[in-house]
Amino acid sequence: DTEVTQTPKHLVMGMTNKKSLKCEQHMGHRAMYWYKQKAKKPPELMFVYSYEKLSINESVPSRFSPECPNSSLLNLHLHALQPEDSALYLCASSHPGTGNFYGYTFGSGTRLTVV
Amino acid sequence: KNEVEQSPQNLTAQEGEFITINCSYSVGISALHWLQQHPGGGIVSLFMLSSGKKKHGRLIATINIQEKHSSLHITASHPRDSAVYICAVKGSGGGADGLTFGKGTHLIIQP
Repeated sequence: DTEVTQTPKHLVMGMTNKKSLKCEQHMGHRAMYWYKQKAKKPPELMFVYSYEKLSINESVPSRFSPECPNSSLLNLHLHALQPEDSALYLCASSHPGTGNFYGYTFGSGTRLTVV
Repeated sequence: KNEVEQSPQNLTAQEGEFITINCSYSVGISALHWLQQHPGGGIVSLFMLSSGKKKHGRLIATINIQEKHSSLHITASHPRDSAVYICAVKGSGGGADGLTFGKGTHLIIQP
């Protein structure tokens, strides 16, 4: 299995809702990432987990809450979002080192619309 | 912080033409990625390079570490190649960190 699977593919939520995005990989990668991509812009890093521990938080508002319950699964919990948070949310995974084995792989993303 | 520059930003070509997209970066890296994104779609990794040249079908990617420059070539271009092509680099330190992305090249191949 060489894929990163993200669910759901599309999500519409109100500003008072609580929802979660899910990301799963079975490649044995021990680093997992959340990126946010606005239309016509490159992705922006949000969070990095390395060996199931949060290693990078790029000053993301607390209405986004990441969770890494095990080495294969990464969640992003959403609460009280604003319409400007509407974007494509991309998950990626890799071996946490460098070199040919690090295998950075992207999921296909969750397109989030906040209404 | 690495600065990643891509050129051109937009490119329109006729089917069958040879396409070149360039990427330069400012600081040493451990790896460079070429990524493809269709409108409204997710990101597909085309190549990861740390040296030399790679080929996959009609796509060729090269990197010159000394000059901090990479190119993506598409031979016999086809309308289905129309997409945004993004160059992204990983820093030379070990461990897990995010990629630094270029702004992308919007490619349109006309029939």
